[in-house]
Amino acid sequence: GAVVSQHPSRVICKSGTSVKIECRSLDFQATTMFWYRQFPKKSLMLMATSNEGSKATYEQGVEKDKFLINHASLTLSTLTVTSAHPEDSSFYICSASSGGASTDTQYFGPGTRLTVL
Amino acid sequence: AQSVTQLDSQVPVFEEAPVELRCNYSSSVSVYLFWYVQYPNQGLQLLLKYLSGSTLVKGINGFEAEFNKSQTSFHLRKPSVHISDTAEYFCAVSYNFNKFYFGSGTKLNVKP
Repeated sequence: GAVVSQHPSRVICKSGTSVKIECRSLDFQATTMFWYRQFPKKSLMLMATSNEGSKATYEQGVEKDKFLINHASLTLSTLTVTSAHPEDSSFYICSASSGGASTDTQYFGPGTRLTVL
Repeated sequence: AQSVTQLDSQVPVFEEAPVELRCNYSSSVSVYLFWYVQYPNQGLQLLLKYLSGSTLVKGINGFEAEFNKSQTSFHLRKPSVHISDTAEYFCAVSYNFNKFYFGSGTKLNVKP
């Protein structure tokens, strides 16, 4: 089946620094990638949707200048948390869709645990 | 707006017993329905999905779910669980595949 990887799996950083999380589709071309945030005991919250080569579409309430998303190729999307603060600590998950007949199926990465001190 | 409710945050069950994980949704339009499973330290995997047709959907690992439009439910069932089914299960809805709404998850704990 389709595999999506995320790197790093865990990151700890100091307040004020920026952190980049990578999401890669390993064996298929991802026309669309999604970024989610998961709070403890809560559902996955969609942050943004990105299509290769175009600007990401952010959900209401998500700061686009704080959460920078780049989808530069069909196999790679990055989420950069800029000037991170403790309240940004969370579990970030990406997913990818190959489009076409498989548009309805998302393949999820294992997630990245971000801790901001 | 769509919302998904998984009332049970944790479901303990003995091995070989049947299990039902509940999912209810609210939507003013027709939706597509999904169940995902997340094993420890792994990404979400698709268990099954309802797009159209028969309301009883069969998925992987012996799971099935029934779409009930009148009750706006999509409960997940398995007649006999195994230890290996211990995981967290997420229900999700979408109406255009561009946006998915997830429930808060149900942790299934299968005991020997």
